[in-house]
Amino acid sequence: QQQVKQSPQSLIVQKGGISIINCAYENTAFDYFPWYQQFPGKGPALLIAIRPDVSEKKEGRFTISFNKSAKQFSLHIMDSQPGDSATYFCAASMENTGNQFYFGTGTSLTVIP
Amino acid sequence: GAVVSQHPSRVICKSGTSVKIECRSLDFQATTMFWYRQFPKQSLMLMATSNEGSKATYEQGVEKDKFLINHASLTLSTLTVTSAHPEDSSFYICSARDRVRNTGELFFGEGSRLTVL
Repeated sequence: QQQVKQSPQSLIVQKGGISIINCAYENTAFDYFPWYQQFPGKGPALLIAIRPDVSEKKEGRFTISFNKSAKQFSLHIMDSQPGDSATYFCAASMENTGNQFYFGTGTSLTVIP
Repeated sequence: GAVVSQHPSRVICKSGTSVKIECRSLDFQATTMFWYRQFPKQSLMLMATSNEGSKATYEQGVEKDKFLINHASLTLSTLTVTSAHPEDSSFYICSARDRVRNTGELFFGEGSRLTVL
């Protein structure tokens, strides 16, 4: 059973546009929701993360919106750039238990000039 | 930020041989490390959880005799693919959590591309 569902599978955005990737989860015990960025042939790198006590977190052009009641969270990339072209994974975990992270299926983002 | 080093980044081997991949946490202690396998254009598939000083916990469907995991110290875990076959060709990634700083973040290595001929 997929613990974290991610959409869309792929996304094409014009340079300067807004990229939006959505994730949904089932387990209400999850308390840490990171987004990872992965370039081809490289390991994932943490982009931004949020905990359920806030509804939004912004770091530069990247914003996470979190809806606890709907059990959904999304990544918004403002002013998307060709360098943002990568695969993005959302994830969820129970932070203090040392348990595994549950990853979404990934979104391949292409930003065209 | 914390760094996880993975080696080798690429390895090509003949069918039937064994390959060892190392995962080191360079500036923090990692009592737990995770090993993932990733197929092209797919998500990360957790293979096993590696605990320092104890046996690894394998996910369902992962052959523990084929994928040997050893976590001998707080900074080193190794994955050995035994008697490798072409179907074992994949991208293997390790990750670790800094239990002392306990920020919740999972730090990933750069991955190891295994090609079995």
